[in-house]
Amino acid sequence: AQSVAQPEDQVNVAEGNPLTVKCTYSVSGNPYLFWYVQYPNRGLQFLLKYITGDNLVKGSYGFEAEFNKSQTSFHLKKPSALVSDSALYFCAVREDNNAGNMLTFGGGTRLMVKP
Amino acid sequence: NAGVTQTPKFQVLKTGQSMTLQCAQDMNHNSMYWYRQDPGMGLRLIYYSASEGTTDKGEVPNGYNVSRLNKREFSLRLESAAPSQTSVYFCASSSVGGLNPYNEQFFGPGTRLTVL
Repeated sequence: AQSVAQPEDQVNVAEGNPLTVKCTYSVSGNPYLFWYVQYPNRGLQFLLKYITGDNLVKGSYGFEAEFNKSQTSFHLKKPSALVSDSALYFCAVREDNNAGNMLTFGGGTRLMVKP
Repeated sequence: NAGVTQTPKFQVLKTGQSMTLQCAQDMNHNSMYWYRQDPGMGLRLIYYSASEGTTDKGEVPNGYNVSRLNKREFSLRLESAAPSQTSVYFCASSSVGGLNPYNEQFFGPGTRLTVL
């Protein structure tokens, strides 16, 4: 069975500072990991994914994430936060033997970037 | 391309009423999904359709039924709505298989449902 944990309900950061949103996962096979962002009253938008290869994945809007197999983590990062990055962020995982491409989502982390 | 569209955007039901949430995608995706989003619980999968003509239960299927009408459309039905089904419902689609089997899912804008 696959599962995801986002240990922080909310992350507060000042504009211009680096940000990290944490995600840990559990799968029985190889993990495929995704980050999504949700703005108020909108659907989820895809940010980036890790399938294989380089552990540092770059995505949309200057976000990146680092896959760490030994720590079973996939933390989302950005070097310099913007007020417009304030949103709800979801980490998701899929196992490689999951024929239906079913994703399991974490509970979400609200990112608040203050001017 | 409109992507994934959902209707209605908002709905208020009384306990025991029925309704169908509609979803359509124009990206020629083979897989479609229905999720519900509740505060602090992320998104939970209700049902999914890996390909046209197939449907399978997800994590929280009780009280729901689905129909994969054709490749484009995937509807979710509440036969007898209950207050516990008050939630925001999202439809998603993805292209699975072929040269890139690990594609991301694309989401619709959601339906906000309140059951009184």
